[in-house]
Amino acid sequence: GAVVSQHPSRVICKSGTSVKIECRSLDFQATTMFWYRQFPKQSLMLMATSNEGSKATYEQGVEKDKFLINHASLTLSTLTVTSAHPEDSSFYICRAGGVARYGYTFGSGTRLTVV
Amino acid sequence: EDQVTQSPEALRLQEGESSSLNCSYTVSGLRGLFWYRQDPGKGPEFLFTLYSAGEEKEKERLKATLTKKESFLHITAPKPEDSATYLCAVQASPLQGGSEKLVFGKGTKLTVNP
Repeated sequence: GAVVSQHPSRVICKSGTSVKIECRSLDFQATTMFWYRQFPKQSLMLMATSNEGSKATYEQGVEKDKFLINHASLTLSTLTVTSAHPEDSSFYICRAGGVARYGYTFGSGTRLTVV
Repeated sequence: EDQVTQSPEALRLQEGESSSLNCSYTVSGLRGLFWYRQDPGKGPEFLFTLYSAGEEKEKERLKATLTKKESFLHITAPKPEDSATYLCAVQASPLQGGSEKLVFGKGTKLTVNP
């Protein structure tokens, strides 16, 4: 139980374009979704927290207009990287909240490469 | 500020050579300490949650322990398939103003050679 499906797993896009990453909770309702980015040999850095039906809360230093987060339903949260630049290339991972017994389940991650 | 420090950064073992990974933490009030395994290009896979000092949990060749300042992940007779990065994370108690947020360490990259 408590599976989070994240898509796409890999994406390559051109500078200036936008990319949408989806995270779906398949067998439970995720009232909260956490979005992280991870650089090589670095820890997971929390970018923002989304709650179903309300605005996302962004961590200090994360640009709200660049990383758009939508949590329109209890089973779907999306992260859109707008006007992507090469420095946005990273590994993006979502984590569902509210399911403590499963250790807060993570998605499988999205490798974004901006060329 | 809540902090998590993992050591060593990297560890190479021979198959069957037991060892331990360390996770030192400072948190205003511990709600839970989590261990995850992460394979390259994948999201973290949950291993254990520990809630109070003295607690221990086991899963196959892995055993996690917790004190008031640190946690250890003991690996007994590891196999090559145990090779991965092991992440530690802490969650602060809601009584201390914490939420569901997890603070992660940088991880220990374990390589087990056959």
